[in-house]
Amino acid sequence: AQSVTQLGSHVSVSEGALVLLRCNYSSSVPPYLFWYVQYPNQGLQLLLKYTSAATLVKGINGFEAEFKKSETSFHLTKPSAHMSDAAEYFCAVSEGTGNQFYFGTGTSLTVIP
Amino acid sequence: GAVVSQHPSRVICKSGTSVKIECRSLDFQATTMFWYRQFPKKSLMLMATSNEGSKATYEQGVEKDKFLINHASLTLSTLTVTSAHPEDSSFYICSAIELSDSPLHFGNGTRLTVT
Repeated sequence: AQSVTQLGSHVSVSEGALVLLRCNYSSSVPPYLFWYVQYPNQGLQLLLKYTSAATLVKGINGFEAEFKKSETSFHLTKPSAHMSDAAEYFCAVSEGTGNQFYFGTGTSLTVIP
Repeated sequence: GAVVSQHPSRVICKSGTSVKIECRSLDFQATTMFWYRQFPKKSLMLMATSNEGSKATYEQGVEKDKFLINHASLTLSTLTVTSAHPEDSSFYICSAIELSDSPLHFGNGTRLTVT
């Protein structure tokens, strides 16, 4: 069985500060990992994905995530937060079969001016 | 990039009526489509998985007779909320996947309010 844990349902950072959103997963097979962002009253937009290639994945809007198998983690980072980064972020894992995606409970990011 | 169009974005209906939500993949053929429900400040709850031409697979606790899913083609899936009640008010999001190792592409969601 697969699952995703996002530590911290709310994260606040100052504008310009480092953003770190945590995601740990459990999977019995090599996982496919994803980060999505959701703005109010909208669907989810893919930020980045890991599908067994390079462990450091770069995504849109300056975000990146590193797959660490030993820690079963896929934390999302951005060096310098921007006001427009304020949103809900979801980590997801799948087996790559297209049949099931498991989402974390989400982390709400607030950026303080 | 892959685009999923969901319509309507917002709908208000009276208790007892039915509402149909459409989900279309605009520039790719979706082998599988998923329907999610999202409660305020909560994560996404998978309701059902649908494959073109076959019956949808519903998650435990989701009433298949209430939430009718039709996946008539590789680019269109519909969710019909039948005999809607106020507790069905929620944000419904569809997503589609093209290949087995590709990410989910999401529609922009439908805000359903049942009065």
